[in-house]
Order: sequence, then structure tokens, then C-alpha cells
Amino acid sequence: SQQGEEDPQALSIQEGENATMNCSYKTSINNLQWYRQNSGRGLVHLILIRSNEREKHSGRLRVTLDTSKKSSSLLITASRAADTASYFCATETSGSRLTFGEGTQLTVNP
Amino acid sequence: KAGVTQTPRYLIKTRGQQVTLSCSPISGHRSVSWYQQTPGQGLQFLFEYFSETQRNKGNFPGRFSGRQFSNSRSEMNVSTLELGDSALYLCASSLRVNEQFFGPGTRLTVL
Repeated sequence: SQQGEEDPQALSIQEGENATMNCSYKTSINNLQWYRQNSGRGLVHLILIRSNEREKHSGRLRVTLDTSKKSSSLLITASRAADTASYFCATETSGSRLTFGEGTQLTVNP
Repeated sequence: KAGVTQTPRYLIKTRGQQVTLSCSPISGHRSVSWYQQTPGQGLQFLFEYFSETQRNKGNFPGRFSGRQFSNSRSEMNVSTLELGDSALYLCASSLRVNEQFFGPGTRLTVL
């Protein structure tokens, strides 16, 4: 079963705009991670935020975590056509087992 | 360093057959996890192996099984294939908890 729910399910923006995706989860977590997947291919790890962190940055990515609301957001600034992909949040509760959200399909139009 | 490799990349089988998928982790990684991705159920955890032992298991029927060899390579087997087993099967390896590297996946189609 999916722990996380992401919204929006699909997002279409113009190059240069910012994209924000949200993720909600149900149980206590050790950390939350964001992955990217290009059309039916493997997952690429983007960023990890631990349960005791509130915000983290990596290049054009900014992730926030609100454990009281059990939610996280991923912001991609100054988007590029190459950012077109599906983005998934994943929570880790025990060991290496990840529970993924349903994903947001991001389309960046040139 | 070479990434996670999965073979074959594409596979077509018929109902009732069995299939074996292979995953070679990044050199030095001892943990291998398997996930199934379908349009309806999304990404779901199958199982994890560490040092040849199954350490964690998801909610899949016994038709889904796996193993890990002493060189950390892992295989997963699905017996008596059903149409619903059509999916992208992803393997991930890790050296430390919190850091998983995914392979490109094996696309299985069951006819």
C-alpha cells in the first residue's frame, strides 16, 4: 500500500518557472527522500531530509519537512525542460525499506 | 564505479510461466532491495537481502521469491505468472541505510 500521497498528480509549467510538489505520509518516519524517474526508467535519488530537519537545499532543489503535519514539499527553482520527469517521495521507517508516494508527473515546456 | 545493473532489460512471458530477474549491485554494496512498479499500485517493496539473508519482506504472495549470492548479486523469481505481474521491476543496492541506488529496471510483460 502507498504510504504517501502526492499532489498535484500532474504539473505543467514553462521553463524558468518554479515547480512545487507536495507529499503527505501517515506514520512516523526516520527520514523522507525524493526521487526522480524519467519515463519508465530507474529512480534517481535527489535529496534526503531527516525527521529532525525542517529544510534542506541541494542546488536548485529545496525540500521542507513538517513532521507535525506529516507532509513534505519539493521545490525546483528555475525549471528546465530536462526536469521533465516523475517525482516521488519515499519514507523510510525500518531498515532499507522505502514506501513510495504515488508521484507527480512534471512537464516543463520549453 | 559501475552502477546497479539489471538483466534482462525487457522480458515477455506467458501466463503460467516462471521468470528469473537478475541484479548486480554496486561493488561493495551488500544490501539489495527489489521493488515492483505498476500503473495501478505504484512502487511497492518486494524484499531486501543483506549478506545472503532476507532481511525484510513486503506483502507479496509466495510466488515471488528471491535470493542473494555471496558476491551480493541477487535474483528474484516469479512463478506461475499472472497478467497482473506485468510491471517494471527495480533493484536497488546500498552500502548504508538511507542511501539506495536504483538500477534501470526490468520491464516484464505477461501475455
